[in-house]
This record gives sequence, structure tokens and C-alpha cells, in this order.
Amino acid sequence: EIVLTQSPGTLSLSPGERATLSCRASQSVSSSYLAWYQQKPGQAPRLLIYGASTRATGIPDRFSGSGSGTDFTLTISRLEPEDFAVYYCQQYGSSPRTFGQGTKVEIK
Amino acid sequence: QVQLVESGGGLVKPGGSLRLSCAASGFSFSDHYMSWIRQAPGKGPEWVSYISSSGTSIYTADSVKGRFTISRDNAKNSLYLQMNNLRAEDTAVYYCARGQQTPVYWGQGALVTVSS
Repeated sequence: EIVLTQSPGTLSLSPGERATLSCRASQSVSSSYLAWYQQKPGQAPRLLIYGASTRATGIPDRFSGSGSGTDFTLTISRLEPEDFAVYYCQQYGSSPRTFGQGTKVEIK
Repeated sequence: QVQLVESGGGLVKPGGSLRLSCAASGFSFSDHYMSWIRQAPGKGPEWVSYISSSGTSIYTADSVKGRFTISRDNAKNSLYLQMNNLRAEDTAVYYCARGQQTPVYWGQGALVTVSS
């Protein structure tokens, strides 16, 4: 099973600042089958990025993903008020599909 | 529009059983893999099970294997999760989702609480 470790656990930033979230895999994620989700309280996760760097339909271009192998990054170029939430990475290159433990982006 | 609506959650004692249902609408249900994904309080999501469009291919997580069974009825546009011998660690919100790789569509979730 591929274990995904996200860092930091919490990121305290102000609107307009840049957020950089990390996801490290315990073994290589095949074909960059790595996705990112956003989750707000009381809601289901929302797909942001798949294939490590492809934005899902309707996702603003301030969200970008990068990385390969075992190290992946989600960048939010300028935080908007609606971006404060918890973010999860997920790999789907092998079974079981696994998620990271999440990074909370909170208002400083 | 795509809608997934879960039902059947609730409070159950350890060792008890529950059956979750997911009613799908707004898309051709029989063309898609479907999944159950759960999320314990304060934790990341965990993939529980997924089933192929025809129902012939099934994945079940080791943590629930032998206790949980996924099934579907394409004529009724419905997905099910039969949960037996429930444990405290099964307490979570259970989501129905379309697909088995990167779901775009999720239901609102059904809360399952296992407690005496």
C-alpha cells in the first residue's frame, strides 16, 4: 500500500498570499496518477487536480499541481477567501487507492 | 445534473448491521464504475470498495473484507453497501462516488455511528 504523507499539517496564510502544499509517497506513484482535492466543513471532497498537474473542469488557474515519482506539490498562487479549507492528495496508480492525511489552510 | 443521494446511515451497536443505499440520477448509471469512500471524524478519506459497471469486478479494502459487500442494481440506478459485524472503527461518513480513480461526483454522505 502506498502511504501518502502531507506537509505541513496546517498552513496559516493571509488572502493574496501563495500557498505551497507537499505530498510525499512511500513509493513511486505510477504514471503520475496523483490527484488533489479540496474539502470544506460538511461537504464532500472536490476534485482539483488529476494526473499530477491537470486541472479538473471549472477549477481556477490559480491552482496548479506539479511533481512526479514520490514528490508532488499543490500551489495556490494567490489565496482567495474561499480557498481556506483542507486539501488532500490521493494516488490512483495502484490498489488500494490511498489519501494523505490532509493539510489545513487557515486564515492567519 | 448528476445527483448521488445516500441513505441508510444511523446509530448501530458493535456487531450490528446496516445497509447503505445510493440513488443515482442525471447520468447513465450502468456505464460507470461506482465507489464507496468513507471518512472518519478528523481523518482523511479511505476507499472502502468499488464495483465495475456490470458488477462483475469488485475491489474491497482489507479493513472491511469479509464484513462489507458492495453491490448494484442497474435497473434501479442504485448502489448498495451491506455492512455486517460493525466495529467502533467503522464510524465515519460514507460517501457514494462515481468512478474508481478520481471521482468528480460525490453524494452528500451518510453518517454511520457504531457505539454501544
